[in-house]
Amino acid sequence: GAVVSQHPSRVICKSGTSVKIECRSLDFQATTMFWYRQFPKQSLMLMATSNEGSKATYEQGVEKDKFLINHASLTLSTLTVTSAHPEDSSFYICSATSTPYEQYFGPGTRLTVT
Amino acid sequence: QKEVEQDPGPLSVPEGAIVSLNCTYSNSAFQYFMWYRQYSRKGPELLMYTYSSGNKEDGRFTAQVDKSSKYISLFIRDSQPSDSATYLCAMSDKAAGNKLTFGGGTRVLVKP
Repeated sequence: GAVVSQHPSRVICKSGTSVKIECRSLDFQATTMFWYRQFPKQSLMLMATSNEGSKATYEQGVEKDKFLINHASLTLSTLTVTSAHPEDSSFYICSATSTPYEQYFGPGTRLTVT
Repeated sequence: QKEVEQDPGPLSVPEGAIVSLNCTYSNSAFQYFMWYRQYSRKGPELLMYTYSSGNKEDGRFTAQVDKSSKYISLFIRDSQPSDSATYLCAMSDKAAGNKLTFGGGTRVLVKP
């Protein structure tokens, strides 16, 4: 299967600071990238859909000014958590796809806000 | 009622047994069906995908789709302890921009 990377895998930051997470499709060009959040023992919660060169589409209840998404190229999307607070601590996962049936996930980023 | 229902388990089986996982769905617009495996603190790994009713086999895995009953299954033959993970079914509708709708996941434990 295709490979999607995420960086960093783990990050600890102080309350009020911003954190950027990168998502890259390494061996294919992704027309669409998705950002998810996952809480312990729960399924994935879609936060936003990102298409290269256009603004991200956020799911209901997700603050677009807090979770900034940039999809600069067909292989790179970034999620910036602005003014992070402890309640933003979570496991963030991106996925990338170029077909309706093959969506590949990154390894995830564990964010801890102290 | 959720769009996709999946028994949360946990499902405990002895090594070598067949693992049987199921999901039901209510949205007849779903066209594509996927199964993912997720280990703790890792991203989901795509195991299989299909877009037609019937069976699809890949090694020890068989995916089954019955669109008339809105029911999908994944079978894992000769299960190994390394198969212990959470299995997620997912479905998509191209008209909805390829967004995935997930089941809640089934936790599987294969005991040696």
